Amino acid sequence: GEDVEQSLFLSVREGDSSVINCTYTDSSSTYLYWYKQEPGAGLQLLTYIFSNMDMKQDQRLTVLLNKKDKHLSLRIADTQTGDSAIYFCAPASGGSYIPTFGRGTSLIVHP
Amino acid sequence: DVKVTQSSRYLVKRTGEKVFLECVQDMDHENMFWYRQDPGLGLRLIYFSYDVKMKEKGDIPEGYSVSREKKERFSLILESASTNQTSMYLCASSRTGSNTGELFFGEGSRLTVL
Repeated sequence: GEDVEQSLFLSVREGDSSVINCTYTDSSSTYLYWYKQEPGAGLQLLTYIFSNMDMKQDQRLTVLLNKKDKHLSLRIADTQTGDSAIYFCAPASGGSYIPTFGRGTSLIVHP
Repeated sequence: DVKVTQSSRYLVKRTGEKVFLECVQDMDHENMFWYRQDPGLGLRLIYFSYDVKMKEKGDIPEGYSVSREKKERFSLILESASTNQTSMYLCASSRTGSNTGELFFGEGSRLTVL
């Protein structure tokens, strides 16, 4: 099965950029998702990228995909305290389309 | 506003009790999922269902069963709760097809087994 690795914590200052990295093992992953979980809440879909893309930008969010290295990253520009949450990388294979979740990266934003 | 609703936010049960966790979605989604979330382990898939009365095992089905008698409702059952099943349980739903991975989650049910 798919293995998904993320660092567990990231601490940044308000206004800086945050970069959350993820590596995965299944080269057949076709949809690669980022989910966000705010304290006390369920997960919500943040953004996703197709495997035939290298980059996707959506306002303050930039997703970069390196298929060769099976590396996915999420960059949040001008990070705000409201961005403090757990971010999950979740690639989905072309077979089932069911995502496999990483352990999640807790983003802590300091004022 | 579309919604996935989990019936109980917090439950406390005793070892050996039978536990039912209920989940209802109002989006007419074909797929429904049960995950458990533990600190440092992320989300692990317990069971999923792609249609009424259909179920598939996920990565950690042992000690759990599920029921899907109606499209909108997916129940997780712990036949005999144990302390190692203390966890946050998350229900999700999605449409079938290439957007199967676009999951809509409930707020979670935190279960404590004493």
